[in-house]
Amino acid sequence: QVQLVQSGAEVKKPGASVKVSCKASGYTFTGYYIHWVRQAPGQGLEWMGRINPNSGGTNYAQKFQDRVTMTRDTSINTAYMELSRLRSDDTVVYYCAREGSNSGSSLDSWGQGTLVTVSS
Amino acid sequence: DIVMTQSPDSLAVSLGERATINCKSSQSVLFNSNNKNYLAWYQQKPGQPPKLLIYWASTRESGVPDRFSGSGSGTDFTLTISSLQAEDVAVYYCQQYYTTLALTFGGGTKVEIK
Repeated sequence: QVQLVQSGAEVKKPGASVKVSCKASGYTFTGYYIHWVRQAPGQGLEWMGRINPNSGGTNYAQKFQDRVTMTRDTSINTAYMELSRLRSDDTVVYYCAREGSNSGSSLDSWGQGTLVTVSS
Repeated sequence: DIVMTQSPDSLAVSLGERATINCKSSQSVLFNSNNKNYLAWYQQKPGQPPKLLIYWASTRESGVPDRFSGSGSGTDFTLTISSLQAEDVAVYYCQQYYTTLALTFGGGTKVEIK
């Protein structure tokens, strides 16, 4: 079955960077876009961007354009999201999610989430 | 960006009764060339990631119980739970994917048992 397994929780200082991984299994990794979505505690969902694992091409939300980098390693079926210049309001849960094949850009499988805490 | 507005923010429904959640987009998410509404619904239980329930506004994801249904077109959409079960307690989100490079979600509706 389709599975996305994310790396564990992180604690970072303001101004630092964090890199979250998302390991895919149960399907052809290069066949589906991977999106990154974040969620502040008790708040709604915010789209950060997506990566095409086949080409490596990326599209980022304007809000994160200058701070986020999404990459992938097809040899280990893993996508990465790196966020730089961390601030306290980046203390949220980060999710990776797979874009469906026949369902447009709806997200049919999600990772378990990675909590990133930014604190001095 | 397309703004998605959900209502109500929360609702309490008795077991076995109907729950209705509304979602309004700031512009139409109906793509005229294929007559599809680029609208999805998700369910999120505490401590879990969101789960896709509905896409193309009314197509149920595989394995989703048929008490969940989606309707609407253009800018106004509804998620209906026909007979609320205890396991349906969750927060529900709508999402538009009309603008593929700027996905946006509604603010969420919390469903509880009355």
